[in-house]
Formats: sequence, C-alpha cells, structure tokens
Amino acid sequence: ETGVTQSPTHLIKTRGQQVTLRCSSQSGHNTVSWYQQALGQGPQFIFQYYREEENGRGNFPPRFSGLQFPNYSSELNVNALELDDSALYLCASSFIALRAGGVRETQYFGPGTRLLVL
Amino acid sequence: TQLLEQSPQFLSIQEGENLTVYCNSSSVFSSLQWYRQEPGEGPVLLVTVVTGGEVKKLKRLTFQFGDARKDSSLHITAAQPGDTGLYLCAGGGNNNDMRFGAGTRLTVKP
Repeated sequence: ETGVTQSPTHLIKTRGQQVTLRCSSQSGHNTVSWYQQALGQGPQFIFQYYREEENGRGNFPPRFSGLQFPNYSSELNVNALELDDSALYLCASSFIALRAGGVRETQYFGPGTRLLVL
Repeated sequence: TQLLEQSPQFLSIQEGENLTVYCNSSSVFSSLQWYRQEPGEGPVLLVTVVTGGEVKKLKRLTFQFGDARKDSSLHITAAQPGDTGLYLCAGGGNNNDMRFGAGTRLTVKP
C-alpha cells in the first residue's frame, strides 16, 4: 500500500467524449505525476504538478490537461477522446524539496484507472 | 520513444531457476530505479541505484548499475512464483519525468 488512491478504477467512454480521472496523493507529498501505460508498454510521462502548477510535461497533446488542488490531490482531464487513449492511467505522488531541477525524488504509484475508449 | 531498452521482453522459467534481466540505454542517468508491477496494480519501487558500479541486494534480488551509468541488471536467485510480474526500469528524464522501459514480463511456474 503506497497511500496513493485513484478513482475510478475502471471507465468506459466513447470517442469524442471527455473524461476526468482523480488521484489522492500520499500524506505529506506535494507533487503528483501522471503517466499513461498502454498494453504491453511501460508508463509514459504525461505531466507533473508541483504546488498546484505544471512542473514538466511529456509529449502529449493539449487535450490532456491537469489540475492540482491545495490538498495536493490531482485531476487528469482528457478531451475529445480517441481510441488510442485506451490505457491504464497511473498517478504517482512524491515530495520535492526544490522546484524543477531539484533532487530526484522517489515516486509512489497508485493502482491506476483503466480507461477503455470505444 | 523509450530511451531505456529492456531485455528479454518475456521470460518464463521454472521455480528454483536463476535469471537475469537487463536495462540498457545510450544515455547516462544519474540514477536508475527498478519497479515490479503486478496485474491491476501500479508499479512498486524495488530499488534505486545511484553510483556507477553499485551493487544492491534485496533478499534474492541483486541489482547492478553499470560503471558508465548507462545500463543496469537485475538478477534473481532461486525464483519463486511470487516473483511473477512485470519488471520495469526507469531513469530520470530532462523534464522532471521518469523514463520507463517497456519492461520484462516474468512468469515463474511452480
């Protein structure tokens, strides 16, 4: 148990719809990172939020957006869903002592949300 | 694209056998992490290696970081069915991200 929770556990959407995934970080952590894991692949970094601001972004289009709240929980929003968005979406929480460029921290992953786009 | 190449992609062995899986890159990493992921769960951190040439042991698991900090290996002695899972290596990227390999899917048969 990492203390990181995600909801929902499973979700089915149709192409063109919008989805919001949620993550509650481990107590004491100030950073949340989101990853997409397609079947048979390793996780791919989407973006990271540190103290409610985006702190790095991977190669994902703008229709992938996020929020981090004052309690450090986070949301991942995906607009205009495409079939290829079907994947396991993982969030990972961590504690960063410094902003971008600081010491690399240990990330603790939640169990993921499995999204199926039909 | 993944910067970290893991091999083999799949490995199926009998209980009691030894195995080694590899994580290779053309890039230098300040540290590499190994995770194990079971179906329906997120990756769980096993170890972080930081120093070139470093060897870390976790019970029957031995992790080694290459001298040039571009590669790493995981050796499991006397594998057990409970070792079954997806083994992922990851290194820090330039954008506050962790770059993951595609993983080695290990099956240990009783």
